[in-house]
Amino acid sequence: DAGVIQSPRHEVTEMGQEVTLRCKPISGHNSLFWYRQTMMRGLELLIYFNNNVPIDDSGMPEDRFSAKMPNASFSTLKIQPSEPRDSAVYFCASSPDGSNTEAFFGQGTRLTVV
Amino acid sequence: DAKTTQPNSMESNEEEPVHLPCNHSTISGTDYIHWYRQLPSQGPEYVIHGLTSNVNNRMASLAIAEDRKSSTLILHRATLRDAAVYYCILDYGGATNKLIFGTGTLLAVQP
Repeated sequence: DAGVIQSPRHEVTEMGQEVTLRCKPISGHNSLFWYRQTMMRGLELLIYFNNNVPIDDSGMPEDRFSAKMPNASFSTLKIQPSEPRDSAVYFCASSPDGSNTEAFFGQGTRLTVV
Repeated sequence: DAKTTQPNSMESNEEEPVHLPCNHSTISGTDYIHWYRQLPSQGPEYVIHGLTSNVNNRMASLAIAEDRKSSTLILHRATLRDAAVYYCILDYGGATNKLIFGTGTLLAVQP
């Protein structure tokens, strides 16, 4: 398996534009996580899905952020409208069911909002 | 929610063992202890995890205190490639391993 695949790797956009980040989890994994990493706040869990259903979105910072998982092999994180403070590295991770399992992270998307 | 406490940074010499401590005094009986590391410009990667007994794998060893209020990640022979931020995380259990990252320990390895 190629691992968790995120696209794009880098994204530069202007303030106010819509940004969509994409993630393809590892086949067979039932859980998917979106994280955001900044120098100031470290790694923050934004939302996670289990069997394509959002379980906990309490980490989503504002209504400008939304995430979907239309099927087991694809998820998106959308920011509309984007703001400079959204600049960060966004990671997607997937894992099998259960707390006794290993999570696999993608390489991340570095987002810069100017 | 149970939290972990780690030193902000540690230094080691290449080829020497490294012991990375983690305190988790409010751990609950069902919490797994996970360790991840993040190399520069990469996503976090799994290192090891355990519940009560010490664990070994090809990357590291995990020593868990008898009262489970602390644990130590052991890298047997540090290499320059082991320079990274190491995170000790308690898995809050349930059907999903919801990993909440703290600030971790930045490990520097000197040649």
